[in-house]
Amino acid sequence: KAGVTQTPRYLIKTRGQQVTLSCSPISGHRSVSWYQQTPGQGLQFLFEYFSETQRNKGNFPGRFSGRQFSNSRSEMNVSTLELGDSALYLCASTEFGLDTDTQYFGPGTRLTVL
Amino acid sequence: EDKVVQSPLSLVVHEGDTVTLNCSYEVTNFRSLLWYKQEKKAPTFLFMLTSSGIEKKSGRLSSILDKKELFSILNITATQTGDSAIYLCAVKTSYDKVIFGPGTSLSVIP
Repeated sequence: KAGVTQTPRYLIKTRGQQVTLSCSPISGHRSVSWYQQTPGQGLQFLFEYFSETQRNKGNFPGRFSGRQFSNSRSEMNVSTLELGDSALYLCASTEFGLDTDTQYFGPGTRLTVL
Repeated sequence: EDKVVQSPLSLVVHEGDTVTLNCSYEVTNFRSLLWYKQEKKAPTFLFMLTSSGIEKKSGRLSSILDKKELFSILNITATQTGDSAIYLCAVKTSYDKVIFGPGTSLSVIP
């Protein structure tokens, strides 16, 4: 099976712009989670989607939004970019099992805001 | 406020040593605790723990959860240089919110 893919891998934007990141989960996985990773704050949960529904959201402002399509692909949008949004954005898809849920991360999108 | 604390934050050991990494948490509606390994790329899932006292094992790595004392440990025996990484602990709540700890940076020197 192909792994989790994220596009683009690298992105440079300027303050005030908006950006859309894409994540394709492993085939058959219906859950997609998004995370932000920065040197200062570490790894922080953004939101999780399951079957096109947002199940939970972390403590991020409304500028961060997402959606999931019927094929389980997910997009994350950040509007009115700020310098502090520069980070590695990771998505992960989850395989739910009887004994354990296994999460598989994509390679991430490195966003730089100038 | 929900929080996850890891200790030590940084650790340097020699190959062959055994290490124990700690993770403690304070969250409402605990559901599961997860361990990840992160090298210079995205995290790799190691374990998910939901029940106290049941050890999960994978090769030289093992982990256990104590829900009464609100902590988990990750053990690595006979460490190798390839074990050098950041080990992340995260707690998932019943509402599927995930809180990560700051990570433990492990360096294994030959």
